[in-house]
Amino acid sequence: KNQVEQSPQSLIILEGKNCTLQCNYTVSPFSNLRWYKQDTGRGPVSLTIMTFSENTKSNGRYTATLDADTKQSSLHITASQLSDSASYICVVSDRGSTLGRLYFGRGTQLTVWP
Amino acid sequence: EADIYQTPRYLVIGTGKKITLECSQTMGHDKMYWYQQDPGMELHLIHYSYGVNSTEKGDLSSESTVSRIRTEHFPLTLESARPSHTSQYLCASTYGNEQFFGPGTRLTVL
Repeated sequence: KNQVEQSPQSLIILEGKNCTLQCNYTVSPFSNLRWYKQDTGRGPVSLTIMTFSENTKSNGRYTATLDADTKQSSLHITASQLSDSASYICVVSDRGSTLGRLYFGRGTQLTVWP
Repeated sequence: EADIYQTPRYLVIGTGKKITLECSQTMGHDKMYWYQQDPGMELHLIHYSYGVNSTEKGDLSSESTVSRIRTEHFPLTLESARPSHTSQYLCASTYGNEQFFGPGTRLTVL
């Protein structure tokens, strides 16, 4: 069964600190992996997208890594800010259908305290 | 910033009412989607469309229906709302590998 598992479920850090969120997946075949940021009551916004051949991608203070062999990804947030408080969702796409099926994780709820 | 819009943003209605959630995008994308998301849970695909006059049911069984008469418009209709329909509904469109989401509609059925 294709799945996407994220950890931790929730995380609280102090402003200015770094943190790393994890994503493990069993989706096969694999097309790409995306990280989204979803503020409360809003739609998800794309942070990064990585294909099989990419193992790291940055977007400002966000850096995503991908190990396609172990089927693991991480999202590292540097020098956290209060505005980073949100749910971070890992999404994996397969290439087994014309739809390019997306598999969503449940997200990690990050809270940044001042 | 993607140009995809959803209205209303919040809706509280009584059981048995018919409602339509609106979704529109100005990017000319052919592929559009409706997802349902409960708090702390993953998004579930309920409907998708590849283009005008094309609609398909997603993974999650839903009593809603959709239509795609125009490329930019993908409304979702509930003929008779029930408390079990209380959820957040997210509309999205896709271009290449990128999927763009609307802000969502928070529906509460009393």
